[in-house]
Amino acid sequence: DIQLTQSPSFLSASVGDRVTITCRASQGISSYLAWYQQKPGKAPKLLIYAASTLQSGVPSRFSGSGSGTEFTLTISSLQPEDFATYYCQQLNGYPLFTFGPGTKVDIK
Amino acid sequence: EVQLVESGGGLVQPGRSLRLSCAASGFTFDDYALHWVRQAPGKGLEWVSGISWNSGSTDYADSVKGRFTISRDNAKNSLYLQMNSLRAEDTAFYFCAKATCSTISCYTGAFDIWGQGTMVTFS
Repeated sequence: DIQLTQSPSFLSASVGDRVTITCRASQGISSYLAWYQQKPGKAPKLLIYAASTLQSGVPSRFSGSGSGTEFTLTISSLQPEDFATYYCQQLNGYPLFTFGPGTKVDIK
Repeated sequence: EVQLVESGGGLVQPGRSLRLSCAASGFTFDDYALHWVRQAPGKGLEWVSGISWNSGSTDYADSVKGRFTISRDNAKNSLYLQMNSLRAEDTAFYFCAKATCSTISCYTGAFDIWGQGTMVTFS
């Protein structure tokens, strides 16, 4: 089974900060990775797919990069509405759609 | 408006059954694969099951295989999850999600539309 880990699991940041979240896969998954944002009591929202393609309507301050086993989600300038939990998801192997454990971004 | 609306959750006893439904609108339902994803209270996301556009392929997480059955009715724009032999560890919010692909395998795609979720809890 392909496992995903995320680091950090929690980060505290200020509005305007550049934030980077890392997702690592236990084996290579090419670029078959997506990123989601989830706010409390809400459904996840797709941000990035195919590792680096920005979903329509998502602000350009979000970007994704990586391939193989290491991926990053970057928020170039953190906005108040970006405080949330972020999950990566692999779409390459079995189980087909593993999610990472999440990274909670909180206000410093 | 593109949306998915789940229903059918509730309080259930271990060993019993429950059927979740997901009603879709605003997109061509039978063009896309659909999935169920769950989230236990305070925990992360867990993919549960997926079904291809024409019901030709289905797949399940090991944790629910043999107990849950996914199905869809393209004429009714609806997705279902029949959950049997429920266990306490099945307690979660259950989300339905639309894939960007027609098949379960969706390498360069993702889940782009999600419902608001329906809660399954145990008495």
